[in-house]
Amino acid sequence: DSGVTQTPKHLITATGQRVTLRCSPRSGDLSVYWYQQSLDQGLQFLIQYYNGEERAKGNILERFSAQQFPDLHSELNLSSLELGDSALYFCASSVAPSGAGELFFGEGSRLTVL
Amino acid sequence: QKEVEQDPGPLSVPEGAIVSLNCTYSNSAFQYFMWYRQYSRKGPELLMYTYSSGNKEDGRFTAQVDKSSKYISLFIRDSQPSDSATYLCAMRGQGGSEKLVFGKGTKLTVNP
Repeated sequence: DSGVTQTPKHLITATGQRVTLRCSPRSGDLSVYWYQQSLDQGLQFLIQYYNGEERAKGNILERFSAQQFPDLHSELNLSSLELGDSALYFCASSVAPSGAGELFFGEGSRLTVL
Repeated sequence: QKEVEQDPGPLSVPEGAIVSLNCTYSNSAFQYFMWYRQYSRKGPELLMYTYSSGNKEDGRFTAQVDKSSKYISLFIRDSQPSDSATYLCAMRGQGGSEKLVFGKGTKLTVNP
């Protein structure tokens, strides 16, 4: 158990809908990262927050947004969903503000868009 | 050319075999090199962490980095069925805000 909690584990929804994925980092970790994993693209970095502030941005679509709350949990919002958004979404956390240290991953949220 | 290339396999070996997993990369600024292991329906977990060039050994696992060739390897000795997983290489540059770039992963099956 990495200590990172993600909910929901599975989500099935329709195109055009909006969903929210939730992540609770390990106790004491201030950085939260969101990754998307698909068979063809592998693990793609979406966005990072450190202590409530956006720290780094990757290949995140404009239809997606995220935030980190004062209690350090984070939410990833996916809107106007398309079939191609079906993927595993991972949250990871670390102590450091940068990616130099170990990332601890949750078990992921599997999103299926029909 | 993708920043990190990794053969997705799948790779199937008998128990006890030596396994070699590899990644190539194009960004000469990468300084930190990692291997993550991902079991089915689980998140990736860090297996090995190396800074710059050289070798690092941890039990049955050895990580090698050859920066001149932009090539990293993970060797697994005396492979066990419990090693069956997807192995992802990952790397990043020196800067504080450098993102971690992952390979697509190689799926390994160790047959008893």
